[in-house]
Amino acid sequence: QQQVKQSPQSLIVQKGGISIINCAYENTAFDYFPWYQQFPGKGPALLIAIRPDVSEKKEGRFTISFNKSAKQFSLHIMDSQPGDSATYFCAASTKGQGGKLIFGQGTELSVKP
Amino acid sequence: GAVVSQHPSRVICKSGTSVKIECRSLDFQATTMFWYRQFPKQSLMLMATSNEGSKATYEQGVEKDKFLINHASLTLSTLTVTSAHPEDSSFYICSARDRNRGGIQYFGAGTRLSVL
Repeated sequence: QQQVKQSPQSLIVQKGGISIINCAYENTAFDYFPWYQQFPGKGPALLIAIRPDVSEKKEGRFTISFNKSAKQFSLHIMDSQPGDSATYFCAASTKGQGGKLIFGQGTELSVKP
Repeated sequence: GAVVSQHPSRVICKSGTSVKIECRSLDFQATTMFWYRQFPKQSLMLMATSNEGSKATYEQGVEKDKFLINHASLTLSTLTVTSAHPEDSSFYICSARDRNRGGIQYFGAGTRLSVL
């Protein structure tokens, strides 16, 4: 019930391509869905986040698509660059952006030049 | 953006010793901080929620006597791994909640603990 399932586990994309990472959840009480980017040996950094009353949010090359009825949300990285190579985590919280975060399993993205 | 400083970034210790990790919010007050543990190529696992001026709330399965958390001020929380053993070797990460920015959590850079 509290899990957030993330796929794929790893992803290889050519430079300039679109990277798509998907997450699914069961708990309908989740009300905040952030995406984090983590480089090796570093802490996660907030990329973009969405609330369930919005179906899409875009910030630069990063877009979250949210499907409330399917209980799924995804991260799209447009024009992927080698510098985007990192591990990406989706997460969910039941008390907004200040609540405990339940993280997905992570996706290791590699963008080939 | 807000900055969370975590120190040390890396520590190597002998089995049986205790190690203290500090987490500081540099430009905001954090009434709540969180401590996570991360194994290689795995996700972040929440260990405990640290509240300023009160006892920490530990997640199920986390030994509170082994992982001591103190949140003595609005800008500092510490995690002490007591009597560390090789199985405690891991990447420990803190986050701090900025209530002036809607409660967004900002993460520290993490501490790599290696117990010999």
